[in-house]
Amino acid sequence: DTEVTQTPKHLVMGMTNKKSLKCEQHMGHRAMYWYKQKAKKPPELMFVYSYEKLSINESVPSRFSPECPNSSLLNLHLHALQPEDSALYLCASSPWGGQGENTEAFFGQGTRLTVV
Amino acid sequence: AQSVTQLDSHVSVSEGTPVLLRCNYSSSYSPSLFWYVQHPNKGLQLLLKYTSAATLVKGINGFEAEFKKSETSFHLTKPSAHMSDAAEYFCVVTKAAGNKLTFGGGTRVLVKP
Repeated sequence: DTEVTQTPKHLVMGMTNKKSLKCEQHMGHRAMYWYKQKAKKPPELMFVYSYEKLSINESVPSRFSPECPNSSLLNLHLHALQPEDSALYLCASSPWGGQGENTEAFFGQGTRLTVV
Repeated sequence: AQSVTQLDSHVSVSEGTPVLLRCNYSSSYSPSLFWYVQHPNKGLQLLLKYTSAATLVKGINGFEAEFKKSETSFHLTKPSAHMSDAAEYFCVVTKAAGNKLTFGGGTRVLVKP
């Protein structure tokens, strides 16, 4: 199973709402990522978790709050978002550490978020 | 530090003709390099990867890429384009698993019948 599953596929939320994006993988990967992708642009890294601990935060606003409850799950909690936060949010996972083989990241299908 | 430059933002080819997508990278270490494809409103699918083994890498759907250290390039090719190849392609570099993936700006491929 080389699948990363993201839910929901689409989400519309108001600026005062609280919502969560979920991501799950069962490949035994110990690194998990959140990326944000605006239309016609490459994905931008938001967060990296390694062994369930936050290892990289790319200066993301606090209205985005990541959580890694266990090695298979990654959440992104959303609160008080702005319309400019509307984007495709992609989750990915990869093995951790080492170079050479087994370095690729596997991506989910994404959650299309619209903030109104 | 690492960076990736995709030299063409758009490429238009006719069905059945070769496809060439150009990628140059910069890194201060021996990188792992990847090509991903993204169809509209979809996630990213790995086409192929270079991880310091063979310099000519074969991937899925007939794609291949050649790593040239002297030219710091990792160009993607396919001998014969298919309509289903119309998508966005990203060249990506990383230092090691679990580290930041650095994306190129992407190349949008249009395939004409």
